[in-house]
Amino acid sequence: SQKIEQNSEALNIQEGKTATLTCNYTNYSPAYLQWYRQDPGRGPVFLLLIRENEKEKRKERLKVTFDTTLKQSLFHITASQPADSATYLCALDLNTNAGKSTFGDGTTLTVKP
Amino acid sequence: EAQVTQNPRYLITVTGKKLTVTCSQNMNHEYMSWYRQDPGLGLRQIYYSMNVEVTDKGDVPEGYKVSRKEKRNFPLILESPSPNQTSLYFCASSSQGRSYEQYFGPGTRLTVT
Repeated sequence: SQKIEQNSEALNIQEGKTATLTCNYTNYSPAYLQWYRQDPGRGPVFLLLIRENEKEKRKERLKVTFDTTLKQSLFHITASQPADSATYLCALDLNTNAGKSTFGDGTTLTVKP
Repeated sequence: EAQVTQNPRYLITVTGKKLTVTCSQNMNHEYMSWYRQDPGLGLRQIYYSMNVEVTDKGDVPEGYKVSRKEKRNFPLILESPSPNQTSLYFCASSSQGRSYEQYFGPGTRLTVT
């Protein structure tokens, strides 16, 4: 069956370090993968999208990689700040018109000052 | 301001009493979707709609109905709510022709007793 796994429920790092979050999937051939940020009690907020034919995408301090051979995406936050503390979700969509989105359970990142 | 709105934000009801959660977006998006979020289970898709009068089941559609009579609105209907439908519900929309990023509403916390 299809499955998405995010590396761990919680990740604690020191301010200034790079946070690396993992999203692994099985039995999918996603057209694209997205990363969202969710703060407690609020709806997810879109961060980055990467397509199956792209290896890497960057936006300010954020970087996403997508390895369709390993079936894995890595999400990096460089020079992390306490304000980056949140839950981060990855989401897969099978193709551009399918409409069906599957989310991982999320990783809760805490950045300590 | 571009946004997705949901009403009500909080609802406590009893088993079997029909209810509707409304969702509206002002971005002229073709795609809309409903999710439920439960601790340890992440975000799970209930139903989605690719456009007016086009809806399809997500991963957990049992016990729910939707309709898409207008582009901006996508109500979620619980004909006979049960306690296992107690959850945090999110509506989302996106423009499939552009970036596929989903814009989420603020959430509706539903408790069924």
